[in-house]
Amino acid sequence: NAGVTQTPKFQVLKTGQSMTLQCAQDMNHNSMYWYRQDPGMGLRLIYYSASEGTTDKGEVPNGYNVSRLNKREFSLRLESAAPSQTSVYFCASSESSPGNIQYFGAGTRLSVL
Amino acid sequence: GNSVTQMEGPVTLSEEAFLTINCTYTATGYPSLFWYVQYPGEGLQLLLKATKADDKGSNKGFEATYRKETTSFHLEKGSVQVSDSAVYFCALSVNDYKLSFGAGTTVTVRA
Repeated sequence: NAGVTQTPKFQVLKTGQSMTLQCAQDMNHNSMYWYRQDPGMGLRLIYYSASEGTTDKGEVPNGYNVSRLNKREFSLRLESAAPSQTSVYFCASSESSPGNIQYFGAGTRLSVL
Repeated sequence: GNSVTQMEGPVTLSEEAFLTINCTYTATGYPSLFWYVQYPGEGLQLLLKATKADDKGSNKGFEATYRKETTSFHLEKGSVQVSDSAVYFCALSVNDYKLSFGAGTTVTVRA
């Protein structure tokens, strides 16, 4: 049971470099999410996709872009990485109803030097 | 807006001790409430949830009761084990499927 799979698990970038974080789910969920986790701040929503073909900004979208490639895949792109984007990134998925459980990937630990 | 406040950690306990993590919330509507747990090196996973007032969520010996009058959802376990060492997040969702998280509480249980 794969659930939510994120790649890569670790990444080190230099300031100004770009990269794409990949996320795929095999639970046939409509909704997918990208969060960042920083010490003492919990998880903050970057972008989400309520269904295939739609994406919306979350709490902290600046410096990021997303693509909902199909129902399974939701990628997060950093066009020009900054040290402030050093964080742990989590992808999650859920059904699209209030109170539904979100299922999380294992995370990507990103350092921007 | 919607927000969650949970007690700051870290919390360090001995095995078999009683654990309480306080969580209070503000919400613009009628929220569903959750506790998620993050074990070292892993993503978050649901521990328990409650969707209406006075509901009690329970799992793995943990319990939390949805208290609308005090806007609280405190997490409790009567006898913790070393394997309960983790970060615990309180969260809510209101009228949609997006979650608002608290800052997280790190719990360490010593043998």
